[in-house]
Amino acid sequence: EDQVTQSPEALRLQEGESSSLNCSYTVSGLRGLFWYRQDPGKGPEFLFTLYSAGEEKEKERLKATLTKKESFLHITAPKPEDSATYLCAVQARSGGSNYKLTFGKGTLLTVNP
Amino acid sequence: DSGVTQTPKHLITATGQRVTLRCSPRSGDLSVYWYQQSLDQGLQFLIQYYNGEERAKGNILERFSAQQFPDLHSELNLSSLELGDSALYFCASSVDTEQFFGPGTRLTVL
Repeated sequence: EDQVTQSPEALRLQEGESSSLNCSYTVSGLRGLFWYRQDPGKGPEFLFTLYSAGEEKEKERLKATLTKKESFLHITAPKPEDSATYLCAVQARSGGSNYKLTFGKGTLLTVNP
Repeated sequence: DSGVTQTPKHLITATGQRVTLRCSPRSGDLSVYWYQQSLDQGLQFLIQYYNGEERAKGNILERFSAQQFPDLHSELNLSSLELGDSALYFCASSVDTEQFFGPGTRLTVL
């Protein structure tokens, strides 16, 4: 069974204080690893897809990286508007035409001004 | 705005009742997915449709059912509701591997 574990559960940073969120996964053949941002009461907002170990993607202050066992979401010089829950999800190649996402429980990031 | 729409935004109902949640996918997306998000379980996959046909089932209760219509919108039917069914229900759509989520329907069962 596919599993995703995110750590820490919660992270509090000062504005400008860089850090990383971790997502470790177990999947029977990775089709893709996805990062989403979710604000309270809203739907998850797509951030990145990573397909193979060594791949990196960047968007503004966020950078996602992937190894064979885990992914990191690096946040550089965060701002209060980066406060949200960050969700990691995997999609298994063995699912065939089943493209379901298996999500971790998320990391709640709070950035104080 | 992801382009995926869901109605209603909020739904309050009583135990034993039946409700229908509606989802319109992004233009051009043939796949629709339904997920349930509760505080203790996180986001859980329920069911996937592709161009009107059921493709995959996840942790969906027998009391729940879904369908996708010829215009590609989808409905999730929840019946014999229990207190534990209170949650956020999200629809997502995709043309390939990346899924884009709607704003969700918050269901409260009293």
